[in-house]
Amino acid sequence: NAGVTQTPKFRVLKTGQSMTLLCAQDMNHEYMYWYRQDPGMGLRLIHYSVGEGTTAKGEVPDGYNVSRLKKQNFLLGLESAAPSQTSVYFCASSSGTAYQETQYFGPGTRLLVL
Amino acid sequence: AQKITQTQPGMFVQEKEAVTLDCTYDTSDQSYGLFWYKQPSSGEMIFLIYQGSYDEQNATEGRYSLNFQKARKSANLVISASQLGDSAMYFCAMRDLTNQAGTALIFGKGTTLSVSS
Repeated sequence: NAGVTQTPKFRVLKTGQSMTLLCAQDMNHEYMYWYRQDPGMGLRLIHYSVGEGTTAKGEVPDGYNVSRLKKQNFLLGLESAAPSQTSVYFCASSSGTAYQETQYFGPGTRLLVL
Repeated sequence: AQKITQTQPGMFVQEKEAVTLDCTYDTSDQSYGLFWYKQPSSGEMIFLIYQGSYDEQNATEGRYSLNFQKARKSANLVISASQLGDSAMYFCAMRDLTNQAGTALIFGKGTTLSVSS
């Protein structure tokens, strides 16, 4: 049982390049999330999904796109990377949306945009 | 709007001592939950403990306990008998129930705990 996995673990991009971050979970969770973590800012929600084929914007969605074609996978895309997108990206999943539902996180992806 | 505040950027403690990490929150909801996560230097986010607003007793998980004071809107994490492996960043969080889907977690800015021998 791997829980939540993310690939890649680390990536360096040049400004304007594109890339896709992959998140996979094996807990059969309906809900998945992408967060970014910046120094002194805690974690902020980028996009989330409440089920296969659905996505929605979070707090900081600009410059990112997402897709949830399969229940177990949640992809985060950067179409034209900018230095401001240098961050650590975390994927998370949960079985429900009630206030007591725990979110389980992947190990994170460190992205550096030059 | 919901908000989590962690006012201690850094805390220092010696091994075997207890330490309290502060967390205050703001919400107008009656039903809510508080979570604590640990982030070691390796970077992963590890779920530690959960406290529900209707829970009559403070949550405990091994050496972790939550000092929940509902009237003061505080949910402080207490780590007893600190170990070197407790050195990490600690985040307090709660569900964003203002969102229609009620799904996201709102995080505080975190507290860095350093445990020395």
